[in-house]
Amino acid sequence: GAGVSQSPSNKVTEKGKDVELRCDPISGHTALYWYRQSLGQGLEFLIYFQGNSAPDKSGLPSDRFSAERTGGSVSTLTIQRTQQEDSAVYLCASSQDKNYGYTFGSGTRLTVV
Amino acid sequence: AQSVTQLGSHVSVSEGALVLLRCNYSSSVPPYLFWYVQYPNQGLQLLLKYTSAATLVKGINGFEAEFKKSETSFHLTKPSAHMSDAAEYFCAVIESGGGADGLTFGKGTHLIIQP
Repeated sequence: GAGVSQSPSNKVTEKGKDVELRCDPISGHTALYWYRQSLGQGLEFLIYFQGNSAPDKSGLPSDRFSAERTGGSVSTLTIQRTQQEDSAVYLCASSQDKNYGYTFGSGTRLTVV
Repeated sequence: AQSVTQLGSHVSVSEGALVLLRCNYSSSVPPYLFWYVQYPNQGLQLLLKYTSAATLVKGINGFEAEFKKSETSFHLTKPSAHMSDAAEYFCAVIESGGGADGLTFGKGTHLIIQP
């Protein structure tokens, strides 16, 4: 597609439930990133995929968070046993090369009630 | 390690006035630097980037930024503010060369345009 697509755009879930967030990167972009944007906290790096290499998971805040990228394209971020502090906008970005910058999706707004 | 500091969580200017949003970075290797803009309920849009070419970088919507190594700064400017410039602006850094680090963002500056 022409841009990075994320779904759903909004998700309301009950505390303790699992959620899956999806990201479709730009075709041909080998790098894919997940960020979390919380009110007053700026943008927090979560995880990075580059081609077929093992992902950099250093930003994941707890073991309740996991992500996978199938076939070097679509990525799914999974949050298990959601907590209220997980409420945030989750942004996905893809890149052809860091020289060119990153293209962001519109994000998924997650609300845990 | 890399980090970004944006001075001022909120900046207010009058329409037609100069816009100056400050960004300072730290990086152990030559950095690549970016400015992104975020309009309400939207993702981040790249305004401009510095990747070791010209130190004065021109971006979209009349914005520009100058990389000053001696000051470790990458301030964003626009000569004349427009109402449509009201948004959140993020400065970001990534280390050039190899490595798996993602972009590190500043906490953002909310630009308010007064009529």
